[in-house]
Amino acid sequence: DIQMTQSPTSLSASVGDRVTITCRASQDIINFLAWYQQKPGQVPKLLIYAASTLQSGVPSRFSGSGSGTDFTLTISGLQPEDVATYYCQKYNSAPFTFGPGTRVD
Amino acid sequence: DVHLLESGGGLVQPGKSLRLSCAASGFTFSNYAMNWVRQAPGKGLEWVATISFSGDSTFFSDSVKGRFSISRDNSKNTLFLQMNSLRVEDTAIYYCAKCLWSATPLFDYWGQGVLVTVSS
Repeated sequence: DIQMTQSPTSLSASVGDRVTITCRASQDIINFLAWYQQKPGQVPKLLIYAASTLQSGVPSRFSGSGSGTDFTLTISGLQPEDVATYYCQKYNSAPFTFGPGTRVD
Repeated sequence: DVHLLESGGGLVQPGKSLRLSCAASGFTFSNYAMNWVRQAPGKGLEWVATISFSGDSTFFSDSVKGRFSISRDNSKNTLFLQMNSLRVEDTAIYYCAKCLWSATPLFDYWGQGVLVTVSS
């Protein structure tokens, strides 16, 4: 099975900072990569799919890039409401594995 | 509005069984594949199972394969997860999640989750 890793495990940033989170797949998943945001005490929210397509209603400060095995989620201008844990997920084929998460404080 | 409401969780002993339900509303349930995702206390997300919109195809994580089954009743807009031979490590919040499109395992709506605790 394809393994998903994320880095860093956690990060601390200030309002207005540019934040980058990396997700790596152990094999080529083309662009079948999604990003989710889970705020404390809330259910996960789909942010990005197909590596770079923003889900409806997601602020434009979120962006995604990458293909193959290496992907990034970027928050351009961190806002207080972005405090959350971010997960990547592969969905090219089962198992639809999530990454371990990156906590953004 | 899309609404997913899980039920059936609780405390169960190792080796026992439990059946979760997810009542769906606000969309044409029979047009979408559905999923279960779990989250152990303080841990990350783990995909558990997916069922096609017709119920003909099912997929499971290795950690539950052979112990869990997923099914649906499209006439009642309800999704099920039958959990057998439960283990302590199955303790988690179980979320029901809808696919963004009919068959693509992207999860755009989630229920609030139901807690399953496996303990003696």
